[in-house]
Amino acid sequence: GAVVSQHPSRVICKSGTSVKIECRSLDFQATTMFWYRQFPKQSLMLMATSNEGSKATYEQGVEKDKFLINHASLTLSTLTVTSAHPEDSSFYICSARDRTSGVETQYFGPGTRLLVL
Amino acid sequence: KQEVTQIPAALSVPEGENLVLNCSFTDSAIYNLQWFRQDPGKGLTSLLLIQSSQREQTSGRLNASLDKSSGRSTLYIAASQPGDSATYLCAVFTGANSKLTFGKGITLSVRP
Repeated sequence: GAVVSQHPSRVICKSGTSVKIECRSLDFQATTMFWYRQFPKQSLMLMATSNEGSKATYEQGVEKDKFLINHASLTLSTLTVTSAHPEDSSFYICSARDRTSGVETQYFGPGTRLLVL
Repeated sequence: KQEVTQIPAALSVPEGENLVLNCSFTDSAIYNLQWFRQDPGKGLTSLLLIQSSQREQTSGRLNASLDKSSGRSTLYIAASQPGDSATYLCAVFTGANSKLTFGKGITLSVRP
C-alpha cells in the first residue's frame, strides 16, 4: 500500500523554540494532507487540512499563527510549531489523501512525538 | 456534527477468544468507514475499509461489518492472539465536509 513518512519521529525542544515536522507521501501525489494531534488515551483530533498550493484550512480552536502549515509540493507538507510550550507536547500525525484508485483513501504517517521542556 | 463512539474504552480477553469491537456514529450519510490499529507510541495501520455500499469486509482473522442505516459497525476478531493487543480505532468519512472523524478507540489486551 501507499506509504507516508514523517520526520522526525521524536523531538525534544526547549520552551520558546520552533519545531518543524515533515510529512511526505512516498509513492503517490497528495493534493490534500491532514494534520492531527493526539493526546494520551485520546482520539485523533484534526488540526488542519493542507492543500497543495493554497492556504491550509484550520479547525476551530487551532491557532493558525502557532501551527504553520506549508504544502509546497504534491508530496510534502510541513507543520511548524512556533514558540512551542509544554502544553504543545503531543503526538502529531499526518495523513495524505490518495484518489488515484478512484476510492477515497487516507494513508497515515507513523507520527511525531513532540516533547517541549 | 458527526460523532463516533466506541464502547468500552478497554477490553481484556484470554488468548483464543473470539471478540467483537463496536463502533457507532450519529450521521449515517457516510462515504466509508475504516478500522485502524494503533500500537503504543506508533501511527495508524489501516485494517479494513468498508464503502457505504458494502456490508462487510474481511482480511484474515478480521471481519468488519457496516450497518449504515443504524449507524453501527463491528470489528470481529477470530481466535485472538497476544499480538492483537493494541488500540483499535474506528473512523468514518463524511463526504459533506470531507473529513475523517475518529472514535476514541478500544484498547484491547489479549492475555496469554
